[in-house]
Amino acid sequence: GAGVSQSPRYKVAKRGQDVALRCDPISGHVSLFWYQQALGQGPEFLTYFQNEAQLDKSGLPSDRFFAERPEGSVSTLKIQRTQQEDSAVYLCASTFRSRGHNEQFFGPGTRLTVL
Amino acid sequence: SQQGEEDPQALSIQEGENATMNCSYKTSINNLQWYRQNSGRGLVHLILIRSNEREKHSGRLRVTLDTSKKSSSLLITASRAADTASYFCATAPNTGGFKTIFGAGTRLFVKA
Repeated sequence: GAGVSQSPRYKVAKRGQDVALRCDPISGHVSLFWYQQALGQGPEFLTYFQNEAQLDKSGLPSDRFFAERPEGSVSTLKIQRTQQEDSAVYLCASTFRSRGHNEQFFGPGTRLTVL
Repeated sequence: SQQGEEDPQALSIQEGENATMNCSYKTSINNLQWYRQNSGRGLVHLILIRSNEREKHSGRLRVTLDTSKKSSSLLITASRAADTASYFCATAPNTGGFKTIFGAGTRLFVKA
Protein backbone atom coordinates (compact mmCIF):
# COMPACT_ATOMS: atom_id res chain seq x y z
CA GLY A 1 0.00 0.00 0.00
CA ALA A 2 0.99 3.63 -0.34
CA GLY A 3 3.06 5.12 2.44
CA VAL A 4 3.44 8.71 3.51
CA SER A 5 4.45 10.93 0.64
CA GLN A 6 5.91 14.41 0.69
CA SER A 7 6.46 16.99 -2.00
CA PRO A 8 8.60 18.51 -3.21
CA ARG A 9 11.50 16.26 -2.27
CA TYR A 10 13.94 19.16 -2.66
CA LYS A 11 13.31 22.88 -2.47
CA VAL A 12 15.76 25.72 -2.92
CA ALA A 13 14.54 29.12 -1.86
CA LYS A 14 16.10 32.54 -1.77
CA ARG A 15 16.11 34.18 1.64
CA GLY A 16 12.84 35.99 2.14
CA GLN A 17 10.77 33.74 -0.11
CA ASP A 18 7.72 31.86 1.13
CA VAL A 19 7.61 28.07 0.75
CA ALA A 20 4.89 25.44 1.09
CA LEU A 21 5.64 21.81 1.85
CA ARG A 22 3.03 19.13 1.35
CA CYS A 23 2.39 15.89 3.20
CA ASP A 24 0.05 13.10 2.13
CA PRO A 25 -0.37 10.75 5.10
CA ILE A 26 -1.47 7.16 4.92
CA SER A 27 -5.19 7.03 4.23
CA GLY A 28 -7.23 6.78 7.42
CA HIS A 29 -4.44 7.87 9.73
CA VAL A 30 -5.78 10.16 12.42
CA SER A 31 -2.56 11.67 13.70
CA LEU A 32 -0.08 13.71 11.69
CA PHE A 33 3.21 15.16 12.86
CA TRP A 34 5.69 17.59 11.33
CA TYR A 35 9.36 17.49 12.31
CA GLN A 36 12.43 19.51 11.40
CA GLN A 37 15.72 17.64 11.12
CA ALA A 38 19.00 19.50 10.93
CA LEU A 39 22.07 17.78 9.52
CA GLY A 40 23.48 15.27 11.97
CA GLN A 41 20.64 15.70 14.46
CA GLY A 42 17.47 13.87 15.35
CA PRO A 43 14.04 15.08 14.24
CA GLU A 44 12.66 18.00 16.27
CA PHE A 45 8.91 18.11 16.84
CA LEU A 46 7.13 21.03 15.19
CA THR A 47 3.40 20.40 15.37
CA TYR A 48 0.70 17.74 15.74
CA PHE A 49 -2.73 17.30 14.16
CA GLN A 50 -5.51 14.99 15.21
CA ASN A 51 -7.71 14.88 12.14
CA GLU A 52 -8.12 18.55 11.17
CA ALA A 53 -7.43 19.93 14.64
CA GLN A 54 -3.98 21.29 15.37
CA LEU A 55 -3.66 20.22 18.98
CA ASP A 56 -0.02 21.05 19.57
CA LYS A 57 2.06 23.67 17.81
CA SER A 58 4.53 24.22 20.60
CA GLY A 59 7.51 23.21 18.44
CA LEU A 60 7.02 25.79 15.71
CA PRO A 61 10.15 27.98 16.00
CA SER A 62 8.54 31.28 15.06
CA ASP A 63 5.37 32.85 13.75
CA ARG A 64 6.82 32.50 10.24
CA PHE A 65 5.90 28.81 10.45
CA PHE A 66 2.30 27.81 9.84
CA ALA A 67 0.71 24.40 9.33
CA GLU A 68 -2.75 23.31 8.33
CA ARG A 69 -4.73 20.15 7.66
CA PRO A 70 -8.14 21.52 6.67
CA GLU A 71 -9.86 18.26 5.72
CA GLY A 72 -8.07 15.96 8.09
CA SER A 73 -5.91 14.30 5.44
CA VAL A 74 -3.32 16.28 3.42
CA SER A 75 -1.28 18.76 5.42
CA THR A 76 0.76 21.76 4.37
CA LEU A 77 3.63 23.35 6.27
CA LYS A 78 4.22 26.92 5.19
CA ILE A 79 7.29 28.96 6.01
CA GLN A 80 7.11 32.66 5.34
CA ARG A 81 10.09 34.93 4.71
CA THR A 82 12.54 32.02 4.82
CA GLN A 83 15.85 32.46 6.60
CA GLN A 84 19.09 30.51 6.22
CA GLU A 85 18.53 28.84 9.58
CA ASP A 86 15.36 27.28 8.16
CA SER A 87 17.52 25.03 5.96
CA ALA A 88 16.79 21.48 7.08
CA VAL A 89 14.88 18.35 6.15
CA TYR A 90 11.20 18.60 7.01
CA LEU A 91 9.63 15.26 7.87
CA CYS A 92 6.01 14.32 8.07
CA ALA A 93 4.73 11.27 9.95
CA SER A 94 1.31 9.75 10.51
CA THR A 95 -0.23 7.18 12.81
CA PHE A 96 -3.58 5.47 12.84
CA ARG A 97 -4.40 6.27 16.43
CA SER A 98 -4.69 9.52 18.24
CA ARG A 99 -1.91 11.03 20.38
CA GLY A 100 0.73 9.29 18.29
CA HIS A 101 1.91 7.06 21.10
CA ASN A 102 2.41 4.32 18.60
CA GLU A 103 4.53 3.50 15.59
CA GLN A 104 4.86 6.53 13.35
CA PHE A 105 5.17 6.12 9.59
CA PHE A 106 7.48 8.70 8.10
CA GLY A 107 7.62 10.22 4.67
CA PRO A 108 10.89 10.69 2.78
CA GLY A 109 11.13 14.33 3.79
CA THR A 110 11.57 17.61 1.96
CA ARG A 111 15.10 18.99 1.97
CA LEU A 112 14.86 22.78 2.12
CA THR A 113 17.89 24.88 1.30
CA VAL A 114 17.65 28.62 1.83
CA LEU A 115 20.30 30.63 0.02
CA SER B 1 15.90 21.10 22.72
CA GLN B 2 15.83 17.33 22.44
CA GLN B 3 15.12 15.18 25.42
CA GLY B 4 16.75 11.92 24.44
CA GLU B 5 20.47 11.46 24.45
CA GLU B 6 22.05 8.51 22.68
CA ASP B 7 25.38 7.04 23.54
CA PRO B 8 27.72 6.50 21.81
CA GLN B 9 27.38 9.16 19.12
CA ALA B 10 29.11 6.86 16.64
CA LEU B 11 29.97 3.18 16.59
CA SER B 12 32.02 1.16 14.10
CA ILE B 13 32.02 -2.64 14.27
CA GLN B 14 32.75 -5.68 12.12
CA GLU B 15 29.99 -7.68 10.52
CA GLY B 16 28.85 -10.43 12.88
CA GLU B 17 29.59 -8.46 16.05
CA ASN B 18 26.91 -7.14 18.38
CA ALA B 19 26.12 -3.44 18.62
CA THR B 20 24.76 -1.79 21.76
CA MET B 21 23.33 1.70 21.84
CA ASN B 22 22.05 3.53 24.88
CA CYS B 23 19.46 6.23 25.34
CA SER B 24 18.68 8.44 28.32
CA TYR B 25 15.66 10.69 28.76
CA LYS B 26 14.44 13.21 31.28
CA THR B 27 10.73 12.92 32.08
CA SER B 28 8.17 10.19 32.74
CA ILE B 29 7.10 8.47 29.56
CA ASN B 30 4.27 6.41 28.14
CA ASN B 31 6.58 4.44 25.92
CA LEU B 32 9.94 4.51 24.22
CA GLN B 33 10.55 3.70 20.60
CA TRP B 34 13.63 3.04 18.50
CA TYR B 35 13.88 4.14 14.88
CA ARG B 36 16.46 3.59 12.18
CA GLN B 37 17.32 6.09 9.48
CA ASN B 38 19.38 5.54 6.39
CA SER B 39 19.50 7.32 3.09
CA GLY B 40 17.70 4.54 1.27
CA ARG B 41 14.61 4.11 3.41
CA GLY B 42 14.26 7.20 5.56
CA LEU B 43 13.07 6.84 9.16
CA VAL B 44 11.68 3.41 9.98
CA HIS B 45 10.15 2.24 13.25
CA LEU B 46 11.98 -0.70 14.82
CA ILE B 47 10.43 -1.48 18.17
CA LEU B 48 8.26 0.04 20.90
CA ILE B 49 8.56 -0.73 24.60
CA ARG B 50 5.91 0.44 27.06
CA SER B 51 6.73 2.01 30.39
CA ASN B 52 5.58 -1.12 32.28
CA GLU B 53 7.84 -3.41 30.24
CA ARG B 54 11.47 -4.10 31.03
CA GLU B 55 12.64 -6.01 27.97
CA LYS B 56 11.42 -6.73 24.48
CA HIS B 57 12.75 -8.74 21.56
CA SER B 58 12.15 -8.52 17.84
CA GLY B 59 14.31 -10.68 15.58
CA ARG B 60 17.91 -9.63 16.11
CA LEU B 61 16.85 -6.65 18.24
CA ARG B 62 16.67 -6.58 22.01
CA VAL B 63 15.50 -3.50 23.86
CA THR B 64 15.61 -2.89 27.58
CA LEU B 65 13.98 -0.12 29.57
CA ASP B 66 14.87 1.04 33.07
CA THR B 67 12.37 3.70 34.09
CA SER B 68 14.11 4.25 37.44
CA LYS B 69 17.24 5.32 35.59
CA LYS B 70 15.33 6.83 32.69
CA SER B 71 17.38 4.85 30.22
CA SER B 72 17.03 2.30 27.46
CA SER B 73 19.39 0.18 25.42
CA LEU B 74 19.13 -1.29 21.94
CA LEU B 75 21.16 -4.39 21.17
CA ILE B 76 21.58 -5.58 17.59
CA THR B 77 23.01 -9.08 17.47
CA ALA B 78 25.01 -10.59 14.62
CA SER B 79 25.20 -7.27 12.81
CA ARG B 80 25.15 -7.02 9.03
CA ALA B 81 26.45 -4.38 6.66
CA ALA B 82 22.81 -3.51 5.95
CA ASP B 83 22.43 -2.44 9.60
CA THR B 84 24.61 0.59 8.84
CA ALA B 85 22.39 3.54 9.70
CA SER B 86 21.59 6.11 12.37
CA TYR B 87 19.53 4.86 15.29
CA PHE B 88 17.28 7.15 17.32
CA CYS B 89 15.32 6.65 20.48
CA ALA B 90 12.04 8.53 20.73
CA THR B 91 9.92 9.12 23.80
CA ALA B 92 6.33 10.14 24.34
CA PRO B 93 6.39 12.14 27.60
CA ASN B 94 3.63 11.35 30.04
CA THR B 95 2.68 15.00 30.42
CA GLY B 96 -0.59 15.06 28.55
CA GLY B 97 0.91 16.61 25.44
CA PHE B 98 1.39 15.24 21.97
CA LYS B 99 5.11 15.55 21.37
CA THR B 100 7.40 12.74 20.41
CA ILE B 101 10.93 13.66 21.35
CA PHE B 102 13.89 12.20 19.47
CA GLY B 103 17.47 12.03 20.58
CA ALA B 104 20.46 13.05 18.48
CA GLY B 105 21.11 9.46 17.38
CA THR B 106 23.89 6.90 17.24
CA ARG B 107 25.60 6.46 13.89
CA LEU B 108 26.39 2.79 13.40
CA PHE B 109 28.80 1.62 10.72
CA VAL B 110 29.08 -2.12 10.13
CA LYS B 111 32.13 -3.13 8.13
CA ALA B 112 31.79 -6.12 5.83
